[in-house]
Amino acid sequence: VLMTQTPLSLSVTPGQPASISCKSSESLLHRDGKTYLDWYVQKPGRSPQLLFYTLTSRFSGVPDKFSVSGSVTDFTLKISRVEAEDVGVYYCLQRLHLPYTFGPGTTVDI
Amino acid sequence: QVQLVESGGGLVKPGGSLRLSCTASGFSIMDYYMSWVRQAPGKGLEWLSFINSGGRTIHYADSVRGRFSISRDNAKNSLFLQMNSLRDEDTAIYYCVRDNYMLFDSSDIWGQGTMVTVSS
Repeated sequence: VLMTQTPLSLSVTPGQPASISCKSSESLLHRDGKTYLDWYVQKPGRSPQLLFYTLTSRFSGVPDKFSVSGSVTDFTLKISRVEAEDVGVYYCLQRLHLPYTFGPGTTVDI
Repeated sequence: QVQLVESGGGLVKPGGSLRLSCTASGFSIMDYYMSWVRQAPGKGLEWLSFINSGGRTIHYADSVRGRFSISRDNAKNSLFLQMNSLRDEDTAIYYCVRDNYMLFDSSDIWGQGTMVTVSS
């Protein structure tokens, strides 16, 4: 399954919003009703960390300035007000079809 | 403290082998699927393999199938990745990852990574 992300790079003024699109070449909706799409962020010099799982479930500690939407093949991650701590590379990951595949990543900087 | 610590990375010649280890602390891996993910220098993330809690269900990415082998020792709370027939393009940071069944097997704990360099 091919995952694409747009844009690949995003420069944001602090306090302004940001939006990242992720598209999959196949449906990520399982017959159990869950959509197996996760979002991760990799901050500079750090290991990736989970933001959202199964499309809309927020991981513990993720602030509510982050939100997600979408369905089936089209997904969006939004940051309502970007701060310096949000700088990093954001990845979507599909976990419905083997092999699992990440999107190419979107670099967010200030 | 819940954490994963990888070891075993290093410099190896093309065609060589390396075995990565990942030791968990703060939790028992026997309850979890575990995975390996890698990141080539300056590149994105690539999922490589997962193994279920009992070690009987295993899947690989096409890029490593037949060359890499994932295994686990629940008694030692450890995950392994045996890498054979290494190629230049296997140069990457290798992350050990916990897939949490409570989060529909999403990857909630990542190690700090171990660097593998394949070069003559």
